[in-house]
Amino acid sequence: GEDVEQSLFLSVREGDSSVINCTYTDSSSTYLYWYKQEPGAGLQLLTYIFSNMDMKQDQRLTVLLNKKDKHLSLRIADTQTGDSAIYFCAEPPSGGSYIPTFGRGTSLIVHP
Amino acid sequence: KAGVTQTPRYLIKTRGQQVTLSCSPISGHRSVSWYQQTPGQGLQFLFEYFSETQRNKGNFPGRFSGRQFSNSRSEMNVSTLELGDSALYLCASSLVTMGARGNSPLHFGNGTRLTVT
Repeated sequence: GEDVEQSLFLSVREGDSSVINCTYTDSSSTYLYWYKQEPGAGLQLLTYIFSNMDMKQDQRLTVLLNKKDKHLSLRIADTQTGDSAIYFCAEPPSGGSYIPTFGRGTSLIVHP
Repeated sequence: KAGVTQTPRYLIKTRGQQVTLSCSPISGHRSVSWYQQTPGQGLQFLFEYFSETQRNKGNFPGRFSGRQFSNSRSEMNVSTLELGDSALYLCASSLVTMGARGNSPLHFGNGTRLTVT
């Protein structure tokens, strides 16, 4: 991948839904990942979606994939203050690389 | 199974000194990657090792170096520290196999917070 883009900030009220968006470049990506980074910690794999899926749901998390537009989104239902973190989307290695490409991360701020 | 372990968690150094950071990957993981994270630049890739061989290198000066041992443990070294080297250094391991581009996700440690004064 060359460039994975995300908006840098998102602010929501507790109880609302959050939607974090990501665009990627490599149409041959077989998986796409979402990572979560809480303050003072490393990145934690949150969820992933296979490229042959349009949607994946896991409790409060819903991942939507639009391959035509190379657009990935992460929806968090009933957002809690504990969801405040930085969320990164990532696509797996491609071309001559052995490393995934990460977006710059979206800082989610949840207000009580 | 134990996660990725990085030591030390915090480090304070002065300009001009050198520093060595350590990373123990998840058991069975042979690929280890290093990243630098700063508020301004986000997550920047440093290098990746597999079976003691550096396969990918990011765009960092030669002051940044690394190595991987036969037990997959890895170290990175920064010489002649500069103020701008202050950052969170993250190590990640992966179950990727030799020759495979790898769809295996990275598993990150909690990082080493380096402050250069």
